[in-house]
Amino acid sequence: SQTIHQWPATLVQPVGSPLSLECTVEGTSNPNLYWYRQAAGRGLQLLFYSVGIGQISSEVPQNLSASRPQDRQFILSSKKLLLSDSGFYLCAWTQGAEDTQYFGPGTRLTVL
Amino acid sequence: KQEVTQIPAALSVPEGENLVLNCSFTDSAIYNLQWFRQDPGKGLTSLLLIQSSQREQTSGRLNASLDKSSGRSTLYIAASQPGDSATYLCAVSPTGGTSYGKLTFGQGTILTVHP
Repeated sequence: SQTIHQWPATLVQPVGSPLSLECTVEGTSNPNLYWYRQAAGRGLQLLFYSVGIGQISSEVPQNLSASRPQDRQFILSSKKLLLSDSGFYLCAWTQGAEDTQYFGPGTRLTVL
Repeated sequence: KQEVTQIPAALSVPEGENLVLNCSFTDSAIYNLQWFRQDPGKGLTSLLLIQSSQREQTSGRLNASLDKSSGRSTLYIAASQPGDSATYLCAVSPTGGTSYGKLTFGQGTILTVHP
């Protein structure tokens, strides 16, 4: 069976510090991978998606970047965090555009 | 641009009641519609997926319908239980060559089932 992992579960970082969130998927190959952010009082917003190693598409202009160094690994990064980067970050995967999308447990990021 | 709206924003019902959550979308060019459940501080759990060619899907006490032409979906929960309390989200996956399964979500319905 397939599983998706995210870490860390929670993170408190000062403004201006770097960020690295990691997501890994097990039990599948060549998945589509996604990063979403859920900010307080706002809905889920798609940040990045990837259809293969090294292939990243950004949905919104922002202070964040993403990378996919391996088939089942998706990383969300920032060089300098802003207060507005606070939120709940969710990684998800699907085998195809018509298939169910499965979400990880999320990372709660607080930028102070 | 696809927009997804969920009504009501919040719902509080007594245990045992049957209830309906509503979801509407503006662009009918979709692969599928998915219903998710989110518990506080947790990730999303997939409940049901309805392909664009289907009219409904059922899983246990849950039944979801899809009327693509009118841009509407409903999630029916039978015999509600306190454990059903959560936020329910619907999301649509657009068709098109560059869609790649990118979901557009509604704002969710916060459901509280009290004993």
